[in-house]
Amino acid sequence: NAGVTQTPKFQVLKTGQSMTLQCAQDMNHNSMYWYRQDPGMGLRLIYYSASEGTTDKGEVPNGYNVSRLNKREFSLRLESAAPSQTSVYFCASSLNRVNYGYTFGSGTRLTVV
Amino acid sequence: KNEVEQSPQNLTAQEGEFITINCSYSVGISALHWLQQHPGGGIVSLFMLSSGKKKHGRLIATINIQEKHSSLHITASHPRDSAVYICAVRSQGNNRLAFGKGNQVVVIP
Repeated sequence: NAGVTQTPKFQVLKTGQSMTLQCAQDMNHNSMYWYRQDPGMGLRLIYYSASEGTTDKGEVPNGYNVSRLNKREFSLRLESAAPSQTSVYFCASSLNRVNYGYTFGSGTRLTVV
Repeated sequence: KNEVEQSPQNLTAQEGEFITINCSYSVGISALHWLQQHPGGGIVSLFMLSSGKKKHGRLIATINIQEKHSSLHITASHPRDSAVYICAVRSQGNNRLAFGKGNQVVVIP
């Protein structure tokens, strides 16, 4: 049981380049999330998808777009990367129920130079 | 003020010591999560609490809903417990988590 799979694990981009971070879960979860983690700060929500076909902005959506391709997959796109987007990105999934845990991917370490 | 505050920010303990880290929050919640992140590693869910106490191995998590406070205890600490422990709360009526900044725990052999 793979859980939540994120790719790539590491990426270096030049300012202005674009890329897509991929996330897939095999637990039949309906909700999926993208977070960024920066030193000295808690995880911050970028975008989330409560169910297939829906996406909503989180705390820090600027500079990002998402696609909920199907129930399993939720991708995060940086159209024009900026140094401020250097961060570790985590995808997570959950059933949309109050007393249900979250499963996190292993993270993508992105550096924008 | 952050919704979720964790203390102490950094803690160093000798192997075998009993460790307590704390989480306070300011909103009404439906659930509280304790997560573990090893250096350079992914995030693993340890506990989800809405009341009372839970135990898993050497880890014990408690929550006091009235005081808006939770603690994570590590008994007989071991160097492999060295990690960042993150507290996250799910607000009532909201399916999103708010995260604390984490407690950095180092256990020295």
